[in-house]
Amino acid sequence: ETGVTQTPRHLVMGMTNKKSLKCEQHLGHNAMYWYKQSAKKPLELMFVYNFKEQTENNSVPSRFSPECPNSSHLFLHLHTLQPEDSALYLCASSQEAVTEQFFGPGTRLTVL
Amino acid sequence: AQSVSQHNHHVILSEAASLELGCNYSYGGTVNLFWYVQYPGQHLQLLLKYFSGDPLVKGIKGFEAEFIKSKFSFNLRKPSVQWSDTAEYFCAVNAPLDSNYQLIWGAGTKLIIKP
Repeated sequence: ETGVTQTPRHLVMGMTNKKSLKCEQHLGHNAMYWYKQSAKKPLELMFVYNFKEQTENNSVPSRFSPECPNSSHLFLHLHTLQPEDSALYLCASSQEAVTEQFFGPGTRLTVL
Repeated sequence: AQSVSQHNHHVILSEAASLELGCNYSYGGTVNLFWYVQYPGQHLQLLLKYFSGDPLVKGIKGFEAEFIKSKFSFNLRKPSVQWSDTAEYFCAVNAPLDSNYQLIWGAGTKLIIKP
């Protein structure tokens, strides 16, 4: 399934690095999301974009910076991360905020 | 704050056993309800959803779920599981939060089917 793609699939970075995660959806959806998935915890919603406008920022630290240049692309810029930020970062999209979300395969991030 | 509770974090069953995974939510208004599944090494995918109408909804791969409004529940069922059902299952509820709708997730249930 290639509706939502994410790159890279794996990323290892040091605490002083700057990197970016990329998400692209090919479904013509209007809303896009970043989630953090950690073991034994519920999915944590980080950011929501609806029609390219950020509508949610769930108290995410400023070392995570989202960017949505158009309704098909979403980036997550990472800077000076902490080891506890190691997790699977999932991108999702939906037609509208109330409809089902379609997920990408995720980026497995390890912060050393 | 709204929350979604999945009662079992781990479930182990033998093939052909019946399955029921519990999901309860805390919001009292109109909700949209979802079950997602994540097979090992694969991305999250939708199993089934409830928006309105018949409270018994059928999804892919023989799964079904029943919405019981009075119990704030949306339990997932399958009459006879297969080894290939080994996966993690997530319940999610779309409910209003401030001026927007937000998908609120349960912690997931890891299901292991013994061949």
